[in-house]
Amino acid sequence: GAVVSQHPSRVICKSGTSVKIECRSLDFQATTMFWYRQFPKQSLMLMATSNEGSKATYEQGVEKDKFLINHASLTLSTLTVTSAHPEDSSFYICSARTGIGTSTDTQYFGPGTRLTVL
Amino acid sequence: EDQVTQSPEALRLQEGESSSLNCSYTVSGLRGLFWYRQDPGKGPEFLFTLYSAGEEKEKERLKATLTKKESFLHITAPKPEDSATYLCAVQAGGSYIPTFGRGTSLIVHP
Repeated sequence: GAVVSQHPSRVICKSGTSVKIECRSLDFQATTMFWYRQFPKQSLMLMATSNEGSKATYEQGVEKDKFLINHASLTLSTLTVTSAHPEDSSFYICSARTGIGTSTDTQYFGPGTRLTVL
Repeated sequence: EDQVTQSPEALRLQEGESSSLNCSYTVSGLRGLFWYRQDPGKGPEFLFTLYSAGEEKEKERLKATLTKKESFLHITAPKPEDSATYLCAVQAGGSYIPTFGRGTSLIVHP
């Protein structure tokens, strides 16, 4: 159980275009999902917390107009990188939280999306 | 400010050579400590959650332990397929957002 999927797994786009990444919890409902960015050989950097039915909470330094997050249902959150530029190239990983408020409160991660902006 | 420090940054072992990875933390009100395994180009895979000092959990060749200041991930007789980056994360206080360490990159040579 506790499977999280991401789509696409990798995407290459031209500078100036927008890219949407989907994150789905396949076998559980997730009121809270997280979006991370990871640079080579570095740890996870939290970008934002996505709550179903409400606006995302962005970490300091993350441009909310650049990285649009929508959590429209209990199993789906999307991250849209708008007007992408080469510096946005990175590995983006989502996670979904399960067992909120219980002893099994845990984050499960998706497989990640490799974004390359030319 | 919550801090999570993992050591060593990198570890090379021979197959069968047991060792331990360390995760030390400075937090107020630990709620949970998590261990994840991450393979290159993939998302982290959940391994264990520990909640209180003295707790231990095992899975195959891995055993995680917890004290009031640190956690160890013991790897017994590792195999090359255990090669990965192991991440530690701590959830503390009133926040449900865990703080991640920088990870330990483990390479097991055949």
